[in-house]
Formats: sequence, structure tokens, C-alpha cells
Amino acid sequence: GQQVMQIPQYQHVQEGEDFTTYCNSSTTLSNIQWYKQRPGGHPVFLIQLVKSGEVKKQKRLTFQFGEAKKNSSLHITATQTTDVGTYFCAGVGQSGGYQKVTFGTGTKLQVIP
Amino acid sequence: EPEVTQTPSHQVTQMGQEVILRCVPISNHLYFYWYRQILGQKVEFLVSFYNNEISEKSEIFDDQFSVERPDGSNFTLKIRSTKLEDSAMYFCASSEQRPSGANVLTFGAGSRLTVL
Repeated sequence: GQQVMQIPQYQHVQEGEDFTTYCNSSTTLSNIQWYKQRPGGHPVFLIQLVKSGEVKKQKRLTFQFGEAKKNSSLHITATQTTDVGTYFCAGVGQSGGYQKVTFGTGTKLQVIP
Repeated sequence: EPEVTQTPSHQVTQMGQEVILRCVPISNHLYFYWYRQILGQKVEFLVSFYNNEISEKSEIFDDQFSVERPDGSNFTLKIRSTKLEDSAMYFCASSEQRPSGANVLTFGAGSRLTVL
């Protein structure tokens, strides 16, 4: 079945440093989504990438979708304490007649003030 | 902003007991999902539900689990005979997209299940 892996599993950064998490799927994806889960909270949708090679920005966050539509990355510039949480990519692939959303293993970000 | 509502927020049960977790998806959404997250681990897919039937289920979703949409608003997850390893946070999610479109999931706050 479809597997989605993320690295690193954990990342500690000083406030103001940059952060990147990488996402890799075992299969080609229809699209990829990113979610953020604050400590003790639930996943909240951030963005969706659909096209091969697509790059999208949300303020200090930059999302990329690989050319082969099997990998993605999230880069945060100049981290802030509000960025703390676990970032999950979610691969959307075809399963029978339905699209299945498979969450990645997540990267837990800790920002040290 | 529309929300997915889950009850209870926390349930403690004895091993072997049945539990029902309830969810009220966003009203115009067509797809419903249950995910679970064991403490500190990833969000695992359990089941998706569309048009009053299961559209997809994972290997975790065995005969102990069932889902139901008993009326026009509720979506329930039943665990027939709970095991210690069922202890987790259970998230309900819904999406408005049809399968041919991209499903953006809106999650509820979760129901924490503790099996003793």
C-alpha cells in the first residue's frame, strides 16, 4: 500500500533559524497536502499542491511538490515560537474509484526562544 | 467557521467494553473519515465513508470496528470489545469534495480513548 515518510522525525531550532521537512511517497501522488498539529491539538489543513514542480508560499512557509509527484518539502524561514508543532504531509493517491489521503510520519518542530 | 464536532472529548473504559465515539461532520460535506493517533505517533487512517457506505478501510479497521451514520448529522465509530492497544486519540474528519476532486480534510478536536 501507499506509504508516506517524512524526515526528520524531530527538529529543534533556535528561534530565527530556518527549518525544512521532507516528505516522500512510495507511489506517485495525485496531489499533496500539508497539515499542522499544535501540541494537544488536531491536524489543521495548511495547503494543497497539485501540479508537478509546484511551489506555493504562505508568508514564511514555502511548499514544493516534486517533478515526479512523489516528494514534497516544507521550508519555514526565520522560525518563531508560534511555529511549534508537528507538520504532516498527506499524500493523495488513487485507490479504486476513490482518492485516499495517507498521512506522513510527521516532523515535530520545537523552537527554542 | 464550520466545525467538525466530536464527543466525548475523553472516554475511559475497561478492556472488553464497547465504546461509541460520535462525530457531527460539517453539514455540506459528503465524505467522512476516522483517523487515530497513538500518543506521539502519526495520524493513521481507519476508514472513509461516502453515500452511506464504507469507501475505504485500512488493515487496522478489523471486525472490532464499525461505522454508522444513524441520522442526517451524526457519524459514529464503534469499537466492539476494546483492547489496551486501542488507547489513542480518535479524529473524525469530513471533506466536501467528491473523489474525483482533491479531498481537503477538516478535523474535529478528537476523542481521547483510554482503555484500562
